[in-house]
Amino acid sequence: DTAVSQTPKYLVTQMGNDKSIKCEQNLGHDTMYWYKQDSKKFLKIMFSYNNKELIINETVPNRFSPKSPDKAHLNLHINSLELGDSAVYFCASSQAQNIQYFGAGTRLSVL
Amino acid sequence: DQQVKQNSPSLSVQEGRISILNCDYTNSMFDYFLWYKKYPAEGPTFLISISSIKDKNEDGRFTVFLNKSAKHLSLHIVPSQPGDSAVYFCAASANQAGTALIFGKGTTLSVSS
Repeated sequence: DTAVSQTPKYLVTQMGNDKSIKCEQNLGHDTMYWYKQDSKKFLKIMFSYNNKELIINETVPNRFSPKSPDKAHLNLHINSLELGDSAVYFCASSQAQNIQYFGAGTRLSVL
Repeated sequence: DQQVKQNSPSLSVQEGRISILNCDYTNSMFDYFLWYKKYPAEGPTFLISISSIKDKNEDGRFTVFLNKSAKHLSLHIVPSQPGDSAVYFCAASANQAGTALIFGKGTTLSVSS
């Protein structure tokens, strides 16, 4: 039973489209995150939610909007997709000691 | 500016030998350090961590050493196995739930049999 699951695993879309990536965790964690792994392989934090409240919002374009309907879900909606948005997006969750557990990633390709 | 650096992009080791992966950090506020292992097309998997109040933590074949004065940590894998071949990421944070992990760029370990 997957602890942190993301859908879809692959997403290919045209520039200008709007898309969403879903994330769910069944670990009972209070905190969830979105990270982006760019072409240079750096993993960088985008957002963090604790009990449905936004606590980290790094310098990310307004086109990216996280939504947390409950503490087990953190979805990422992206408007007006651009070529530079192509990357692998990872969802993660944590409880104590900041050990974060990651999903398998969503590879987004913008054409 | 990279706050967590893994200066070796790759490391090749023979099966049974020791693998040593290194990591340096610049931010003195970091007090919790983690190593993650990543296979292709999968997410990073937590391996081992260490708090800044310790200088060593061991879990089976994996040992992490922390040198606070040098702002350096290392992961030792003994003995190395072919299944250890993966990308290893060093990460650092303040030891509070909800803070971001700051990752290094990763080191690709190849263990040959």
